[in-house]
Amino acid sequence: DAKTTQPNSMESNEEEPVHLPCNHSTISGTDYIHWYRQLPSQGPEYVIHGLTSNVNNRMASLAIAEDRKSSTLILHRATLRDAAVYYCISTGTASKLTFGTGTRLQVTL
Amino acid sequence: DVKVTQSSRYLVKRTGEKVFLECVQDMDHENMFWYRQDPGLGLRLIYFSYDVKMKEKGDIPEGYSVSREKKERFSLILESASTNQTSMYLCASSLPGRDSPLHFGNGTRLTVT
Repeated sequence: DAKTTQPNSMESNEEEPVHLPCNHSTISGTDYIHWYRQLPSQGPEYVIHGLTSNVNNRMASLAIAEDRKSSTLILHRATLRDAAVYYCISTGTASKLTFGTGTRLQVTL
Repeated sequence: DVKVTQSSRYLVKRTGEKVFLECVQDMDHENMFWYRQDPGLGLRLIYFSYDVKMKEKGDIPEGYSVSREKKERFSLILESASTNQTSMYLCASSLPGRDSPLHFGNGTRLTVT
């Protein structure tokens, strides 16, 4: 299954957009890209997923590169409640859903 | 909303004890997963089950076993707990399919002394 690479940490100011990058250069054609986030003392929660087209939902937007080797999670207006660890994974066979260490997002006033 | 419930939030066990971590989901999901989470190592998959009585090893199955006798319940068993199994354990469930989101419980923090 495709390995994903994310920056260890990012910072953002409140009310500003945040672009969280993810590289998945070995992704196969049928693998979806999923994003999850983990707030302190909680289990990860699903944010968004996509295959080829850009996707929007109430939490975020997902922009997928045309070659599918990378994607970007976009939080349109970061709030303090968005401070979390964000994980990008590509879903091949279910037995290989490995999360990695994710990106720790800090949001400041 | 899907609810994944882990039986204990915190657990303290002694070295050598047999430990059971229980997970129940209420949305009739076929897939269930056990992960452990350690600082600097992210979430690592221990075991996965795609149906009752079916299981597959994940990345780090050594020292663990699992049981899935009913669709809604997936148990993680530490046959003989060791201090290096001190960790946060997370259970998740999902429908089949690569586009199906995982739904996680809030975790069990296990300390083995």
